[in-house]
Amino acid sequence: SAVISQKPSRDICQRGTSLTIQCQVDSQVTMMFWYRQQPGQSLTLIATANQGSEATYESGFVIDKFPISRPNLTFSTLTVSNMSPEDSSIYLCSAGGGEQFFGPGTRLTVL
Amino acid sequence: DQQVKQNSPSLSVQEGRISILNCDYTNSMFDYFLWYKKYPAEGPTFLISISSIKDKNEDGRFTVFLNKSAKHLSLHIVPSQPGDSAVYFCAARGANDYKLSFGAGTTVTVRA
Repeated sequence: SAVISQKPSRDICQRGTSLTIQCQVDSQVTMMFWYRQQPGQSLTLIATANQGSEATYESGFVIDKFPISRPNLTFSTLTVSNMSPEDSSIYLCSAGGGEQFFGPGTRLTVL
Repeated sequence: DQQVKQNSPSLSVQEGRISILNCDYTNSMFDYFLWYKKYPAEGPTFLISISSIKDKNEDGRFTVFLNKSAKHLSLHIVPSQPGDSAVYFCAARGANDYKLSFGAGTTVTVRA
């Protein structure tokens, strides 16, 4: 298993601003993912963070809104850009191929 | 389009009794299924998984059953303990595809 940490754990932001969320894994992993959990909803995959290349986005998510970096095999960032109240969610990163292991999440509130 | 469905949003069970959580899926390409447990303010924690070549997998108090023909799986927790009170998510993925599709979750409350 992998131990995953995320920063920040929570934030309150103003609309129109951007927030970058960091995800650190305690070991090298090939696969890293970013998910969103909107209030009362399930987890929805935003994108797969590929090391050394552009992220692969799921339908409904675009790079301009959710740019992702993956500079090495233990670290990734997700930026939520030009935020609106609809972006208020928990953002989670995960790692692993078979069983994915999740970070604690970042609770984002946009006012 | 929700490919993984957990139709029971909540379940209340007495301590010591069995908890049975159900999950249905629609995508016949799914071949690996997982259950996660989530406490408030924490990320999901992996519990147990099952491959489509099996119909049962057991790990301590947790057993997952898979019925491929019915596209249905269930998680049995026995005996249920107060620490089992959490949200349980069913997830699935296809062969050679590491992306997970999640159900909506079932909130389990274990009563003393």
